[in-house]
Parts: sequence; C-alpha cells; structure tokens
Amino acid sequence: ELKVEQNPLFLSMQEGKNYTIYCNYSTTSDRLYWYRQDPGKSLESLFVLLSNGAVKQEGRLMASLDTKARLSTLHITAAVHDLSATYFCAGGGGATNKLIFGTGTLLAVQP
Amino acid sequence: NAGVTQTPKFQVLKTGQSMTLQCAQDMNHEYMSWYRQDPGMGLRLIHYSVGAGITDQGEVPNGYNVSRSTTEDFPLRLLSAAPSQTSVYFCASSLAGEYGEQYFGPGTRLTVT
Repeated sequence: ELKVEQNPLFLSMQEGKNYTIYCNYSTTSDRLYWYRQDPGKSLESLFVLLSNGAVKQEGRLMASLDTKARLSTLHITAAVHDLSATYFCAGGGGATNKLIFGTGTLLAVQP
Repeated sequence: NAGVTQTPKFQVLKTGQSMTLQCAQDMNHEYMSWYRQDPGMGLRLIHYSVGAGITDQGEVPNGYNVSRSTTEDFPLRLLSAAPSQTSVYFCASSLAGEYGEQYFGPGTRLTVT
C-alpha cells in the first residue's frame, strides 16, 4: 500500500531565499504529482513526474524525481510572497489513477 | 468548458441526515474521484471510478456511497451524516493516458452538527 510523506509540514522563508520540500513514498509509484493550494481554494496542478531523473521547471519552482530513492523534491528559488500557499505531493497512477497525498507543506514567504 | 463543477459550495447538516454532493465534468474524462480534506491530513481518497458503471473504494469509504451512471456525473451520497464527516470534499477527474493529470473541482464545505 502506497504511503506518501512530506516534510517539512510548515516552512517560513524570507523573500529571496532558496529552499526544498521533500516527498518520500513507500512503494513503486507510476507517477508523482505536485499541487498548489491557496487558502480556501481548490488544488492547482504544478508538475507531473513520470520517470527516474525527471526534472521539470516552471518559474521559481523546480521538481525532480528519483525513483530508486523513492524521493521527489520541490525546489524553490529566490522565493517571493506570491509563492505562499500549501504544496502537496501525491503518488499514484496506474490502471486506476488513484492518488495518495502527502499531508502538505504550508509555505509562508515573509518580506 | 466548465471543467469540474461541484454543488453545493457549502452545506450544514444535522447528525443522521442524508444528502448527495454533486460532481460533474464536461471534459469526457474516464476517471473520477472523491477526496476529503481535513486539517493536517492532506487529501484522502473516498471512492473512485474508472468509467461509467465502475466504482471502487478508496482509503476512507465508510459512510459514503457512489454510483456512476454516466461519464459526466459522479455523485457522492452521505447515508447518515456524522460529525466526523465534517470536512471539505473535492471531486476530481482525469483522462487515462501517460500523465493522468487530475483536475479538481472547487470543493464543498460540509459541516455536520
């Protein structure tokens, strides 16, 4: 049974700094997803990672996947206040496309 | 395209009442799912469907029923509401295929008193 763990749960950053959110998963997962959620809103898809060594970048966010280590990372470069949100990773896919979510990382970027 | 729509946005129920949360998508997606979101617990899968007429249980199915008679609709029924079902409920849909990216509805905030 797939389990997904994220850390840290809460991250307070200063603008301009870099940091990384970690996502470990327990068994083989076809895909690894990253989502963003603003307070009171729905989830917005950021990245879908398919294979070992996959790296995707969008603006100040870069996601990578190491299937041997069962680890995905979301790296934030030169944080800005607009990146403040909760970030979730989720594993799953396969024939049913079920997703198992991590508990989320609440990111607060301070000026 | 409206994407994934959910109704109602907010609902207050008394313990023991029943109700149906509605979910519809207009993207012709095969897969649909229901999740609940509780503080500190992320999203947990309640039920899912891989196509019309096919449903299965997720991580936390107790107290909920689903059916999928059409590709577009995937209602979630609470049979006898309990305070433990107070949560935010999200419906999601996706295509089969390489990425299987799931698109989420706006959510329903349910309070059971």
